[in-house]
Amino acid sequence: ELKVEQNPLFLSMQEGKNYTIYCNYSTTSDRLYWYRQDPGKSLESLFVLLSNGAVKQEGRLMASLDTKARLSTLHITAAVHDLSATYFCAVVPENTGNQFYFGTGTSLTVIP
Amino acid sequence: DTEVTQTPKHLVMGMTNKKSLKCEQHMGHRAMYWYKQKAKKPPELMFVYSYEKLSINESVPSRFSPECPNSSLLNLHLHALQPEDSALYLCASSQDRIGFRVQETQYFGPGTRLLVL
Repeated sequence: ELKVEQNPLFLSMQEGKNYTIYCNYSTTSDRLYWYRQDPGKSLESLFVLLSNGAVKQEGRLMASLDTKARLSTLHITAAVHDLSATYFCAVVPENTGNQFYFGTGTSLTVIP
Repeated sequence: DTEVTQTPKHLVMGMTNKKSLKCEQHMGHRAMYWYKQKAKKPPELMFVYSYEKLSINESVPSRFSPECPNSSLLNLHLHALQPEDSALYLCASSQDRIGFRVQETQYFGPGTRLLVL
């Protein structure tokens, strides 16, 4: 059974602090996606990571991919309240075309 | 235009009703998806259409029936649903090229919040 696990599931952090969210998956894949979901809203694409060692940065968020360890990280630098949301990673197994499997999600709350 | 639209936004139906959810995109994407999302849970893949053909059915009960009339439209027909089917139903689309593994991300619609009584 394919598993995509994130930790932590819940994260409460103060503004200005740094933290990392981890995404572990149990299948071989060279494609990893990060999404953000605000309460009651749909999902918004953040990053697409397509190869081992890929690193993408946008504002205070930086994502990386290690396909050998089957691990992706989402690093938050100097958090601000606007980053409060639920973050999902998603993988597409190598033996499939369009099957996106989502991680368990990390609910982030940034406290002033 | 990077928008995926879904109608209706909210739907309340009884267990004997028949209803349909609609999804539309005009980005030229040839892969379209239906997901079900329960509160505080990740989206669960239900169906994938590639070039208007059903390519993936994740063992979804037959009371959910997908339809892809053309490359821009995706429907989900609902019949004899159960209260546990109440959830947010999300449509998404992405690029797809025959013979290539898709790399681009998915674009999600705003969702239809369904309540089955």
